[in-house]
Amino acid sequence: ILNVEQSPQSLHVQEGDSTNFTCSFPSSNFYALHWYRWETAKSPEALFVMTLNGDEKKKGRISATLNTKEGYSYLYIKGSQPEDSATYLCAFGSGNTGKLIFGQGTTLQVKP
Amino acid sequence: GAVVSQHPSRVICKSGTSVKIECRSLDFQATTMFWYRQFPKQSLMLMATSNEGSKATYEQGVEKDKFLINHASLTLSTLTVTSAHPEDSSFYICSARRTVEQETQYFGPGTRLLVL
Repeated sequence: ILNVEQSPQSLHVQEGDSTNFTCSFPSSNFYALHWYRWETAKSPEALFVMTLNGDEKKKGRISATLNTKEGYSYLYIKGSQPEDSATYLCAFGSGNTGKLIFGQGTTLQVKP
Repeated sequence: GAVVSQHPSRVICKSGTSVKIECRSLDFQATTMFWYRQFPKQSLMLMATSNEGSKATYEQGVEKDKFLINHASLTLSTLTVTSAHPEDSSFYICSARRTVEQETQYFGPGTRLLVL
């Protein structure tokens, strides 16, 4: 059974703090690793799709790294803002069928 | 761009009735759409993959006669929960992908189903 684990489950930080979360996934049959940002009552928003070992991607204050050999990805948020409060999901794809296996998410709460 | 809508956003129905959920890609053509389900405190679980003009592929443990999927056009897929029971109460969410090369999946906002 393929398993995707995210940690921590939840996180509370102060505005201005930088933070990071971890996504662990199977190191075999890797195709792509997706990160999504999901605010309550909205659609999950695609942040990154990463395919190559060593990939680093950045979108504003958010960046992600990928290590396919050891099966982990980190998501970093620099200078957290209250609007960053959301659940961050990672998903593992093992083929170009598009089938994704999701982690349970990390819920971030940024206090003003 | 890349907006996916889902309708209805929430539905309450009586046990034994059927419920249809629509998933539409508003500004792009989706060769593939995916249906997920999420139970409380759990992760999104893929139910089925839907390709336009062909039969859906269901994941292990998902009853195809229970969850009917139709993908009649490149912008619309529907999920019908037939003869719904309380255990079918869940959050159902769809996603759409443009082409195989476009790996990003764009999600709808989801449908909360409550079966009484």
